[in-house]
Amino acid sequence: NAGVTQTPKFRVLKTGQSMTLLCAQDMNHEYMYWYRQDPGMGLRLIHYSVGEGTTAKGEVPDGYNVSRLKKQNFLLGLESAAPSQTSVYFCASSQGYDGYTFGSGTRLTVV
Amino acid sequence: SQKIEQNSEALNIQEGKTATLTCNYTNYSPAYLQWYRQDPGRGPVFLLLIRENEKEKRKERLKVTFDTTLKQSLFHITASQPADSATYLCALVHNAGNMLTFGGGTRLMVKP
Repeated sequence: NAGVTQTPKFRVLKTGQSMTLLCAQDMNHEYMYWYRQDPGMGLRLIHYSVGEGTTAKGEVPDGYNVSRLKKQNFLLGLESAAPSQTSVYFCASSQGYDGYTFGSGTRLTVV
Repeated sequence: SQKIEQNSEALNIQEGKTATLTCNYTNYSPAYLQWYRQDPGRGPVFLLLIRENEKEKRKERLKVTFDTTLKQSLFHITASQPADSATYLCALVHNAGNMLTFGGGTRLMVKP
């Protein structure tokens, strides 16, 4: 049982480059989320989805876009990376009001 | 403004003792509160959920209390072990959906 799988695990980007982070869950969860975690800032919600084909903004959405074309996948895109987007990104999924299942994270560095 | 506060200083305790971590919040009326464990380089792992109409919840050596009047949750680990060393996060639901807002976490160090 894989749970939530994030790819890639590590990435270094140059300022202005674009990339997509992939999140896949195999638990048939309706809800999916993208968070970023920075020292001293805790986990902050970027975007979330309450079902296939739906997305919504979280606390810190600027500079990011998301898509959920299939129920099991939630993609996070950076169109033009900035050093301020250097962070650890976590994807999570949940069903109803149950606890979240998190992936192992993607460590992104923008130089 | 809304805040979720956890002690940012590490909590150091001796093996076998009870660890108590605090989560305070302001300007929220959460329907429920969750606690997570996070190890270095890993994603958070869900531990316990407690609803606003529940005063206390237990799971093995873990106990969570939720006082909506004090706007505080306490997280206890009894008979602590070095393997309990990790960062513990509290999180609240802050709107009608299931979107969680997390506190900054408290690092627990259990010494043999």
